Amino acid sequence: QSALTQPASVSASPGQSISISCTGTIRDVGTYDLVSWYRHHPDKAPQLLIYEVSERPSGVSDRFSGSKSGNTASLTISGLQAEDEADYFCCAYASGSDFVVFGGGTKLTVL
Amino acid sequence: QVQLQQWGAGLLKPSDTLSLTCGVYGGSFSGYTWSWIRQPPGRALEWVGQVDQSGSTSSKSSLQSRITMSIDPSKTQFSLKLSSVTAADTAVYYCARMLQRSLSMDVWAKGTRVTVSS
Repeated sequence: QSALTQPASVSASPGQSISISCTGTIRDVGTYDLVSWYRHHPDKAPQLLIYEVSERPSGVSDRFSGSKSGNTASLTISGLQAEDEADYFCCAYASGSDFVVFGGGTKLTVL
Repeated sequence: QVQLQQWGAGLLKPSDTLSLTCGVYGGSFSGYTWSWIRQPPGRALEWVGQVDQSGSTSSKSSLQSRITMSIDPSKTQFSLKLSSVTAADTAVYYCARMLQRSLSMDVWAKGTRVTVSS
């Protein structure tokens, strides 16, 4: 069982928008704005999409955005493209000795 | 543009020591924390541990008794050793660069599949 809960899968058609949730607790997402999101294509290196809840690294498309409300962070992808079909996972800082926690990952299918 | 390249044995027997090294190419080595993450088959990513430039380490509590991490700034490399492996340590292992302020990992290697089997 992962520390952070994500839906197992989501699907949508090209051009549509989707949101992926990442639910934690007051120990992690609810207290710290240290949530990051990654895209992972099979057999490739994961790519950082969002850090500190809503900040986008240079070079990452503005189709990707992040937000947080309470214990739940969200990644929104607008204008879906075929290349967006991948696994997405969230990561957060958590109080305690194991201070880096991940979500279980969400498989995005672009129909 | 910085790239990470990792190497190490991919097939181990129970009780062996897992040994992986990650090389950092094309960018600064200082000012970052260097991390290890793994993904067991069909399961979520799991933070394994990290080492900073001074050699200070932090690791997953359940692995602490078996884990050794080190860094060699002169070679721009960092390493992971995990002793007494079992089938539960079978996973794809990734090394990554962690930004100290945001604790996000902005550069990752492609990963090494490590299988523990008798």
